[in-house]
Amino acid sequence: TQLLEQSPQFLSIQEGENLTVYCNSSSVFSSLQWYRQEPGEGPVLLVTVVTGGEVKKLKRLTFQFGDARKDSSLHITAAQPGDTGLYLCAATTPDSNYQLIWGAGTKLIIKP
Amino acid sequence: NAGVMQNPRHLVRRRGQEARLRCSPVKGHSHVYWYRQLPEEGLKFMVYLQKENIIDESGMPKERFSAEFPKEGPSILRIQQVVRGDSAAYFCASSQNRNTEAFFGQGTRLTVV
Repeated sequence: TQLLEQSPQFLSIQEGENLTVYCNSSSVFSSLQWYRQEPGEGPVLLVTVVTGGEVKKLKRLTFQFGDARKDSSLHITAAQPGDTGLYLCAATTPDSNYQLIWGAGTKLIIKP
Repeated sequence: NAGVMQNPRHLVRRRGQEARLRCSPVKGHSHVYWYRQLPEEGLKFMVYLQKENIIDESGMPKERFSAEFPKEGPSILRIQQVVRGDSAAYFCASSQNRNTEAFFGQGTRLTVV
């Protein structure tokens, strides 16, 4: 069974602080995606990474795919209350390029 | 352009009743995926459909669950004789092609009482 483990499960920090959340697995993935989900809504895609070592930036968010394509991190600089939400990672495997395998998410709260 | 539309947003059913969840994909998308999300858990793949065809139903329970995506109209996820354990959020996603970005709907939250 391929599992994606996200850590921490829950994080509450003050506005302006930096943070990093992780998505780890023992399996190699073809691609990895980060989503953000608001309460009562569906996941919204933030970024897709496909190449080992790839780094992508989205304003204050920096996403990195591990060299071995088994793990990924999301770093937020100067967090703002609007960043509050559930951050999910999901991945596709070499066996299936459409079936997403999901982590359980990191619930992030940014306090003003 | 309208995104993926799911309805109803909330559905309450008594044990033993049937639940029908509808999903209208993004206009022009012919690939639909259904996922289930239990509280405090990640989404779990259920089924992948292309117009009039089930491509992969490996994540869907063999009994009581069925899905269709007819030539005309929305995709339907049908759960017969619902049990409490079926209570979850059911998300539909659609994509233009098999390996292009999938867009998610807002989900249907099913509560079985």
